Amino acid sequence: DIQMTQSPSSVSASVGDTVTITCRASQGIGSWLTWYQQKPGKAPKLLIYGASSLQSGVPSRFSGSGSGTDFTLTISSLQPEDFATYSCQQANTFPWTFGEGTKVEIK
Amino acid sequence: QVQLQQSGPGLVKPSQTLSLTCAISGDSVSSSSVAWNWIRQSPSRGLECLGRTYYRSKWSTDYTVSVKGRITINPDTSKNQFSLQLNSVTPEDTAVYYCARGGWRSGGFDIWGQGTIVTVSS
Repeated sequence: DIQMTQSPSSVSASVGDTVTITCRASQGIGSWLTWYQQKPGKAPKLLIYGASSLQSGVPSRFSGSGSGTDFTLTISSLQPEDFATYSCQQANTFPWTFGEGTKVEIK
Repeated sequence: QVQLQQSGPGLVKPSQTLSLTCAISGDSVSSSSVAWNWIRQSPSRGLECLGRTYYRSKWSTDYTVSVKGRITINPDTSKNQFSLQLNSVTPEDTAVYYCARGGWRSGGFDIWGQGTIVTVSS
């Protein structure tokens, strides 16, 4: 299985900050990378697919980049509702696999 | 809009079978542009894709190796739903189980069920 490694595991930030989360695949996955946001007790919510395509209805302060093995999720101008856990997922080779998650906490 | 509604017991005894159902509204289990997935989440294993079923002229299923031999995912076209059966469960199968729709073009899971907390305990 393809291993997905996220960093950092947690980050403390303030409203208005810019946060960057990275995801590395154990082998090349092209642009088959999806980012999710998850809040406690809820299912993950798809934010970005194809490494950089914004899902309909997701605010433009979320952006993604990368290809191959290295990917980045950037949240610009962090809002109170953005404090959550973010996970990456590869869809290049079945079984699809997820990163361990990055918790964005309030500083 | 598309919605997935999960049903099934939250407590299963060790060695028995975990059974969950995911009812689809607003889409068809026979849609050729998506796959229907079961995913679980636990503190020890994180998010784990268990398997999927999809229709491309015929029905197909794929399972992850870690549960292969114990898992069955079946579509039910008459009720527009799909199901998960996981046999010979152990406490390690305790998790939140989700059904989810996966897009072939995006590769991501855009619609999720509400989640079912399943505890394996005697």
